[in-house]
Amino acid sequence: QVQLQESGPGLVKPSQTLSLTCTVSGGSISSGGYYWSWIRQHPGKGLEWIGYIYYSGSTYYNPSLKSRVTISVDTSKNQFSLKLSSVTAADTAVYYCARDGPSSSTVWGKGTTVTVSS
Amino acid sequence: QTVVTQEPSFSVSPGGTVTLTCGLSSGSVSTSYYPSWYQQTPGQAPRTLIYSTNTRSSGVPDRFSGSILGNKAALTITGAQADDESDYYCVLYMGSGWVFGGGTKLTVL
Repeated sequence: QVQLQESGPGLVKPSQTLSLTCTVSGGSISSGGYYWSWIRQHPGKGLEWIGYIYYSGSTYYNPSLKSRVTISVDTSKNQFSLKLSSVTAADTAVYYCARDGPSSSTVWGKGTTVTVSS
Repeated sequence: QTVVTQEPSFSVSPGGTVTLTCGLSSGSVSTSYYPSWYQQTPGQAPRTLIYSTNTRSSGVPDRFSGSILGNKAALTITGAQADDESDYYCVLYMGSGWVFGGGTKLTVL
């Protein structure tokens, strides 16, 4: 079965760019039919959808984050990535990658904690 | 800005039945929004319970069910157990992205 694993720095300085990668195993990003998403959860708060990418490279972003977010895919490595620029303390959160789609069950990664601090 | 609404908290007695809802600040939820429901306990990633309104994810007990009730999506837990005490989130597909509800904290007591 498909599994997802987030990786990247756990600490990012303010104004820098947060970069995370999600490695997919047990299935191919290129197979199509799914969205490859990033979701975050601020400490003690609810879930926030950041955006998703389709294997073809089409992307959709949360309007509230759109100016700072870039999601990309590397099908050769079966990975997709998140870049969030100009981070502040408000971007401190647990970041999850997921495979989803309107008619499919969401498969979640375990999540990775990112702290923005100098 | 579309807001997805959920009850902030709910309580249910062990063995009881509870229905959590997922609405829109403006308009009605229909199957076209492909509502999904997730369960999350502290420190853990969310677990998918229901997707596409009423389809149970693999391994989810049949005491969890999803539906449309009136103008909202609903998650019903029948025969609540102590380990159902969790946060529950719904999410709606808006055609070009997802919007999460704020979550419901369910207490079993």
